[in-house]
Amino acid sequence: EVQLLESGGGLAQPGGSLRLSCVASGFSFSSYGMSWVRQAPEKGLEWVSAISGFGESTYYADAVEGRFTISRDNSKNTLTLHMTSLRAEDTAVYYCARPGFASRSVEACYFDSWGQGTLVTVSS
Amino acid sequence: DIVMTQSPDSLAVSLGERATINCKSSQSVLYTSNNKSYLAWYQQKPGQPPKLLVYWASTRESGVPDRFSGSGSGTDFSLTISSLQAEDVAVYYCQQYYTNPPLFGQGTKVEIK
Repeated sequence: EVQLLESGGGLAQPGGSLRLSCVASGFSFSSYGMSWVRQAPEKGLEWVSAISGFGESTYYADAVEGRFTISRDNSKNTLTLHMTSLRAEDTAVYYCARPGFASRSVEACYFDSWGQGTLVTVSS
Repeated sequence: DIVMTQSPDSLAVSLGERATINCKSSQSVLYTSNNKSYLAWYQQKPGQPPKLLVYWASTRESGVPDRFSGSGSGTDFSLTISSLQAEDVAVYYCQQYYTNPPLFGQGTKVEIK
């Protein structure tokens, strides 16, 4: 069974930093590019970032480019999102998401597995 | 970017009746080389992550009830719930994966009339 477990959310001050993690199990982690998708309170889904299977390629939404860094450690089946220069508009539940087909690239994809999410609140 | 626009924003349907949600992309998401539309549908219930219902515009995900069906091609798509059940109350999203960034529609809230 595919499982994705996010952690690391919490309260951060504007301009501050947080590091989110997602531990994956139940599938060959390195065979999949992985993504982060977020959802602001009472709002829709917003794709944030993707990383290729071996971590050599990354892609970011314009809203987070230059502030967020996605990375992965395949030896630990862990996906990470390092968030800096946080803004109030970054407040959201952050989901780790797996593509519906095995591809090590960062090509756009649909997502067949999602974690439960971790809440990030940016406020003074 | 390919922008996705759903309609309506919300709809209320009686139990057992049909519910139809529309999704329009700002440009075609059909790859002519394989004749596939790169469009997915998700269901999200309160406090839960999204659940994949349909991909390639009309392929139902394993385990999804057959009252859910996707249709359309190119730029215009629909998700139909043939006979609404109480457990179908949720927000539904379309998403294109033709190109990065893989954007979602704004969501359509389905309620019981």
